[in-house]
Amino acid sequence: GNSVTQMEGPVTLSEEAFLTINCTYTATGYPSLFWYVQYPGEGLQLLLKATKADDKGSNKGFEATYRKETTSFHLEKGSVQVSDSAVYFCALKMDSNYQLIWGAGTKLIIKP
Amino acid sequence: DVKVTQSSRYLVKRTGEKVFLECVQDMDHENMFWYRQDPGLGLRLIYFSYDVKMKEKGDIPEGYSVSREKKERFSLILESASTNQTSMYLCASSLEGIFYGYTFGSGTRLTVV
Repeated sequence: GNSVTQMEGPVTLSEEAFLTINCTYTATGYPSLFWYVQYPGEGLQLLLKATKADDKGSNKGFEATYRKETTSFHLEKGSVQVSDSAVYFCALKMDSNYQLIWGAGTKLIIKP
Repeated sequence: DVKVTQSSRYLVKRTGEKVFLECVQDMDHENMFWYRQDPGLGLRLIYFSYDVKMKEKGDIPEGYSVSREKKERFSLILESASTNQTSMYLCASSLEGIFYGYTFGSGTRLTVV
């Protein structure tokens, strides 16, 4: 079946460090890929997306590239801030149904 | 911007009560979803709806029902609240199609005592 695997957290970094959160997927077909962010006590917000191979999604300094050959969609940011502390979810969507398939989420903690 | 509004941020109910969680979206989205989120268990789909009066069970529908009488409103009903239904409840909506993600509400933290 279709699935998403994220690196386990928490990931703890110092401010201005480089961030990578790994996400790989298994899918029968060509999904769209998404990253969501959830700040403490809030709902999830769409961070970025990519809908075909080699597309790069970007927003708020975050980037992720849809890599079909490695079935990956890793989230990166060049210099993190304390305000980036949140839980990050990777997800995929197939054209065969209505639902997003979610990764388990990765908690990111940024220390000043 | 699309807005998804959940009627309460925090709710405390007693065991055995019937509980209604309301969700309204303002951008004519076809699909609506209810999730619960618990530490260590990720996001679990309770019910979803792809059209007015249509509903489909998700992964954990037991103890819940839903109602979608109008396109913009999707209600989650706890028929007889129990303490194991204490959780964060998240509503979401989306357009139909592979390119569209979900827009989430701010969540309702429900405590059943």
